[in-house]
Amino acid sequence: DSGVTQTPKHLITATGQRVTLRCSPRSGDLSVYWYQQSLDQGLQFLIQYYNGEERAKGNILERFSAQQFPDLHSELNLSSLELGDSALYFCASSVSGIDTGELFFGEGSRLTVL
Amino acid sequence: GEDVEQSLFLSVREGDSSVINCTYTDSSSTYLYWYKQEPGAGLQLLTYIFSNMDMKQDQRLTVLLNKKDKHLSLRIADTQTGDSAIYFCAERKGGATNKLIFGTGTLLAVQP
Repeated sequence: DSGVTQTPKHLITATGQRVTLRCSPRSGDLSVYWYQQSLDQGLQFLIQYYNGEERAKGNILERFSAQQFPDLHSELNLSSLELGDSALYFCASSVSGIDTGELFFGEGSRLTVL
Repeated sequence: GEDVEQSLFLSVREGDSSVINCTYTDSSSTYLYWYKQEPGAGLQLLTYIFSNMDMKQDQRLTVLLNKKDKHLSLRIADTQTGDSAIYFCAERKGGATNKLIFGTGTLLAVQP
């Protein structure tokens, strides 16, 4: 158990819909990262937050947005969903940017868009 | 680009050594990592190496780093069926972020 909690574990929805994925980082971790894992794209970095502020941005679509709340949990919002958004979405956390950089991953939220 | 490359598949027999290779992109990367993903699970850190090291050994795992060629390898000695999983290498980009760029992953299949 990594200490990172993601909900829901599985989600099935239709094209055009909007979903919210939630992540609770390990106790004490200030950074949260979102990754998308799909068969054709592999593991792609989406976005990072550190103590409530956006720190780094990757291949995140404009239809997607994220935020980190004062209690440090994070949400990833996916809107106008397309079939190609079906993937496993991972959240990871780490203490800060000045340590060894180890990321602790949750078990992922599997999104299926029909 | 940001592509970190790995071979897709490796099959070994139980008891043999496995060597998984990775080519990364950023010569300024400070840390390089090996993560393991078992079926239906998230990624778990196996080991990491700091960029000023050539080798790191941790029980059955040996990491070799060739900075000149930007090549990283993971050797698993006495491979067991429980080692069957997808193995990802990752590089930590420079700057004030822990953003990791992951490789494509190598599926290791261990035959009994």
